Amino acid sequence: NAGVMQNPRHLVRRRGQEARLRCSPMKGHSHVYWYRQLPEEGLKFMVYLQKENIIDESGMPKERFSAEFPKEGPSILRIQQVVRGDSAAYFCASSRTSTARGSPLHFGNGTRLTVT
Amino acid sequence: DQQVKQNSPSLSVQEGRISILNCDYTNSMFDYFLWYKKYPAEGPTFLISISSIKDKNEDGRFTVFLNKSAKHLSLHIVPSQPGDSAVYFCAAVQDSGGSNYKLTFGKGTLLTVNP
Repeated sequence: NAGVMQNPRHLVRRRGQEARLRCSPMKGHSHVYWYRQLPEEGLKFMVYLQKENIIDESGMPKERFSAEFPKEGPSILRIQQVVRGDSAAYFCASSRTSTARGSPLHFGNGTRLTVT
Repeated sequence: DQQVKQNSPSLSVQEGRISILNCDYTNSMFDYFLWYKKYPAEGPTFLISISSIKDKNEDGRFTVFLNKSAKHLSLHIVPSQPGDSAVYFCAAVQDSGGSNYKLTFGKGTLLTVNP
């Protein structure tokens, strides 16, 4: 009974490096959502993707951040030239269709990014 | 601009007693509310939800109350158990607006249930 799988669980990057976070949705799910939790904060929506399409990226920082969900393989959240302020937990959720009314999101265990 | 507020960062209760976690919101467009529970190093786990057309929803030991006029909801856990010790997040969404994946979370309340 595989849920949403995220890897790596922990990622350490030096300032200026690139970070790639992967999310494999639950089997049969073609909709993926990325959220970020900064220290001492609640989760904040970043981006919603379907296979090969970005549906809503209104929560993504305008620079250095990008996301994709290719036809084959996991969804990737990419952060270029990381800065210390990018240190956070990044969570992914998935659904079979666009979320039905009253249907809660189910999250993976997250990737904890630390920028040194 | 925090639209969902959990004003108590932490709460400590004795095993067997009631835990009451509170949440306030400011956006009157929110019409679906959820509670998530989170253990360290894990993702948030969905616990219970309530639609704005109801004022109470119960699931076993967990009950959520919604007071729309006060823009306030609360989660009651009775009886509390040590395994309930976790961070509890309140979340809200405009479920009818076509963007019901865009949850707005509070900062969370750390519940500690002492044996």
